[in-house]
Amino acid sequence: QQPVQSPQAVILREGEDAVINCSSSKALYSVHWYRQKHGEAPVFLMILLKGGEQKGHEKISASFNEKKQQSSLYLTASQLSYSGTYFCGTEVETSYDKVIFGPGTSLSVIP
Amino acid sequence: GAVVSQHPSRVICKSGTSVKIECRSLDFQATTMFWYRQFPKQSLMLMATSNEGSKATYEQGVEKDKFLINHASLTLSTLTVTSAHPEDSSFYICSAISGRGATDTQYFGPGTRLTVL
Repeated sequence: QQPVQSPQAVILREGEDAVINCSSSKALYSVHWYRQKHGEAPVFLMILLKGGEQKGHEKISASFNEKKQQSSLYLTASQLSYSGTYFCGTEVETSYDKVIFGPGTSLSVIP
Repeated sequence: GAVVSQHPSRVICKSGTSVKIECRSLDFQATTMFWYRQFPKQSLMLMATSNEGSKATYEQGVEKDKFLINHASLTLSTLTVTSAHPEDSSFYICSAISGRGATDTQYFGPGTRLTVL
């Protein structure tokens, strides 16, 4: 039931773009994206609801394709502060409120 | 944004003792709180869902007698790790939502680092 994330890890130079993917084997109601810095709690980025909408602003956005049960997080013109582990959390249609997190994608932005 | 606090932030205890972790929503009423456990370099694993005034719902594989959860009020949930052992050492994180819908954001507490000697 845990969603799959790819890539597992990515290293970027400042200013480069990245895409993190999240997919589920179950029909989804929503996808949540969080970023976690080492030793800290996850910080909410955004929620995407069933409907295929794209959300976000400026340099961090995400899309949700409910038919494919996939979501992607787009980071453009990355900054050093973007470094961390990105988790997607999925909420399946049969289990509202319960968010199951993927294994995470480690993102390192270097100067 | 909403604030969730956890106490203590770090705890070291001897094997066999019990440890209580508190999770509080400071500026909103949390009808539902979640408890997660995170081992180093791994994802957050949902342990249980806690609804105010009712028994917690535990995930498969989580021992309810070992991880006691109480959600006595709309702003406080507690997790008690009973008879802790070294393998219980982990980062425990709670989160809270203010409603019961899928549109509600989960606000995470800062986490509690438990080390069992």
